[in-house]
Amino acid sequence: GAGVSQSPSNKVTEKGKDVELRCDPISGHTALYWYRQRLGQGLEFLIYFQGNSAPDKSGLPSDRFSAERTGESVSTLTIQRTQQEDSAVYLCASSLRGFSTDTQYFGPGTRLTVL
Amino acid sequence: AQSVTQLDSQVPVFEEAPVELRCNYSSSVSVYLFWYVQYPNQGLQLLLKYLSGSTLVESINGFEAEFNKSQTSFHLRKPSVHISDTAEYFCAVINPPGGSQGNLIFGKGTKLSVKP
Repeated sequence: GAGVSQSPSNKVTEKGKDVELRCDPISGHTALYWYRQRLGQGLEFLIYFQGNSAPDKSGLPSDRFSAERTGESVSTLTIQRTQQEDSAVYLCASSLRGFSTDTQYFGPGTRLTVL
Repeated sequence: AQSVTQLDSQVPVFEEAPVELRCNYSSSVSVYLFWYVQYPNQGLQLLLKYLSGSTLVESINGFEAEFNKSQTSFHLRKPSVHISDTAEYFCAVINPPGGSQGNLIFGKGTKLSVKP
């Protein structure tokens, strides 16, 4: 079956512009995660959706970052007024039930470059 | 707060040599531990995980990791590496520790480079 997909694969934008990144999780997966991978800094958790529960936004670095999820399907991560330090690979993952024991399946990522 | 430390950012080895990629975590309670691998130009994939039971866990491609509670370690080993094992390896724990749900906390990764 299809894995997690993300679009676009690459995005180049100018400082101050808004960007939207899209994630399509594996069908039937109730949990969806966003992570960020900055050069030399490993992966950082951003936000987590589980079913109809309120999302865990504890990893969002500033109020310029927001995310939405429609039901148990597509999610969009929005970065407003982008800054150069937002340049990173943004990874989306999904898991079947969101349990700690479940495997998280990752998408290929969106590489964001802010000029 | 939980953290994961991967002491080696890069590990170069020759083909058929053994390798150990080190991972240490900080947590005062029980943890679930994971190793993910990222092959060149590919996404992250789960390699193996420790949830409970036997402290030695194995992957299908010959890697193994041992959970050592006293040393708070989860080192990844392979007795004989192949060129195809060249990749970046990430150790991770679930946050919050012992929670039924949560996000992954990753180490900074170790780039394994296997040379002929």
